[in-house]
Amino acid sequence: QVHLVESGGGVVQPGRSLRLSCAASGFTFNTYAMHWVRQAPGKGLEWVAIVSYDGSNKYYADSVKGRFTISRDNAKNTLYLQMNSLRAEDTAVYYCAKDQYGSYSYIADYWGQGTLVTVSS
Amino acid sequence: EIVLTQSPATLSLSPGERATLSCRASQSVSSYLVWYQQKPGQAPRLLIYDASNRATGIPARFSGSKSGTDFTLTISSLEPEDFAVYYCQQRSNWPTFGGGTKVEIK
Repeated sequence: QVHLVESGGGVVQPGRSLRLSCAASGFTFNTYAMHWVRQAPGKGLEWVAIVSYDGSNKYYADSVKGRFTISRDNAKNTLYLQMNSLRAEDTAVYYCAKDQYGSYSYIADYWGQGTLVTVSS
Repeated sequence: EIVLTQSPATLSLSPGERATLSCRASQSVSSYLVWYQQKPGQAPRLLIYDASNRATGIPARFSGSKSGTDFTLTISSLEPEDFAVYYCQQRSNWPTFGGGTKVEIK
């Protein structure tokens, strides 16, 4: 079955960087777009970024554009999110999610359990 | 940005009752509306996509419908495991979520 496991979260100071990883298994990773979605503590959901199945196309929320970079290593079945210039408002649980279709349909049919990123001095 | 407004914010019902959750879009999203369920401490779970299509493994008591820019998630008879927060999400353009409806035990 599909399994997504995020890692790399933690406490980081404002302005610093952090890289999240998401290890995928149970499906043909290199044929699906992948997403990062975040949820601030006690708040709703926000779509952060998406990468196409082959890594050639990437799209970002305005709130993270220019600071975050999504990427993937299909040989390792792993999704990444490089987060630079972190701000307090980036504090959230970050989920990786699989797209339901090969193209980016923005339907997230499987989600990881999330990793908490706390930006605080 | 397309704004999704969910109502009510909280729905207090008893097991066995019918739950009706609403999601209104600020502009047309066609039928590109998705519903998720989230329980405390868990990731969201896909329930319904494209307004009325149940995701794999979702029980038939969950159904979705559309009328113009108004969307409805109906749970025909609440089971104990259905008490959770429900989010709608549009995928017509850059995806956005509604604020959620909490279905709590009365």
